[in-house]
Formats: sequence, C-alpha cells, structure tokens
Amino acid sequence: DTVLTQSPALAVSPGERVTISCRASESVSTLMHWYQQKPGQQPKLLIYLASNLESGVPARFSGSGSGTDFTLTIDPVEADDTATYYCQQSWNDPLTFGSGTKLEIK
Amino acid sequence: EVQLVESGGGLVQPGRSLKLSCVASGFTFNNYWMTWIRQAPGKGLEWVASITNTGGSTYYPDSVKGRFTISRDNAKSTLYLQMNSLRSEDTATYYCTRVTIITTVVFDYWGQGVMVTVSS
Repeated sequence: DTVLTQSPALAVSPGERVTISCRASESVSTLMHWYQQKPGQQPKLLIYLASNLESGVPARFSGSGSGTDFTLTIDPVEADDTATYYCQQSWNDPLTFGSGTKLEIK
Repeated sequence: EVQLVESGGGLVQPGRSLKLSCVASGFTFNNYWMTWIRQAPGKGLEWVASITNTGGSTYYPDSVKGRFTISRDNAKSTLYLQMNSLRSEDTATYYCTRVTIITTVVFDYWGQGVMVTVSS
C-alpha cells in the first residue's frame, strides 16, 4: 500500500503562511487531494489533483507537487483554520490517506 | 443542496452483523459512484468500500473484503453497507461520501457520520 507521511502537528499565528507536507512512499503522479476536518465535523474537500481548488474554498488555500512530494499552503492563516488536514492519493490501489496534520492557531 | 444522512449505527457484539444506510438528496444519485470511509476514535481516515453509479462493480480493501458488502438502491437514492463478522477494530465513525465526477476517486461531499462500536 502507498504510505502517505505527514507531520503530526504545527502551530502558527494568524496572518502567517503555513505549509503542510505530504510525502508518498511511491509516485502518485498528481492524484493527490487534501481535506480539512474541524473538531467534531466531517472532512471537507479543499484541493483535488494536487493543485485544483474545490469550489467555495477560499483562495488562501493552495496545493502543489507531483510524484512523491506534495504541499498544502494556507496564506494567510486565520483562526478558523484550526483543524486536522489529511492528504489522500488515488493513483495506487488501495487508495490511502495520510495520518493527518493537526494545525493549531496560536 | 447535497445531503448525505447515515443511519444504522450502534453497539454490536464481536462476530455479529450490522447494516448501515445513507440517504442521499440534492443531486442525481444514479450519476455518481459512492464510497464508505471510516475513522476510528482519535485516528485517521480509512477507505472501506466503493460502488459504481450503476452498482455493477464494487471495491474493497483487504481489511474488510469478504466481511463487508456495499450496495445501493438508485430508486431510493440510498447507499448501504452490510457489515458481517464484526471485530473490535471495526469500531469507528462511518462516513458516506460522494465521489466527484472527475477521472479519479475524490470525495466531494461527506455525511455527518454514524458511530459503530464493536464490543462485548
């Protein structure tokens, strides 16, 4: 299975720029997607196919990468962005998720 | 407005069965693949099962293959997950999700989730 590795946690101040990384154990081309899960809520799609912003998602969110290294960027960060962020690949079977990065806003 | 509403969760003993349902509204159900994803308490997300828009094909990871069955009734806009031979490690919140219409598997809408607890 393709393992997706994410940093466990990050803490930033409002207004700063934050990058959340996701590294795949094998190439996933650009079939990488990002979700936001706020406490007590279901996940929400933010970015699909590495860099495409889902409709309705603020332009503060952006994604990049290909192959094995991917990044989700939030610039500028707002207090409401407190959440866990998951990457998901759909290139290899079975599809897999990263373990999540918990973002704290100081 | 797209809505996915799960039901059927609860407490069940190991080895027993449970069937989850998900009623969809706000979109043309029979145009979309659907998927169940689960999340163990305090843990990450795990793909459980997917089904094509016609129900003609289904897909599972090894962890549930042979125990879980995904199905759908397009006339009722309802997705199901039959879970047999349940184990403690199946304890999780189960989300019903819609697969977006692009060339790969991405989940653009999620239900609120339903909790399944497997314990004696």
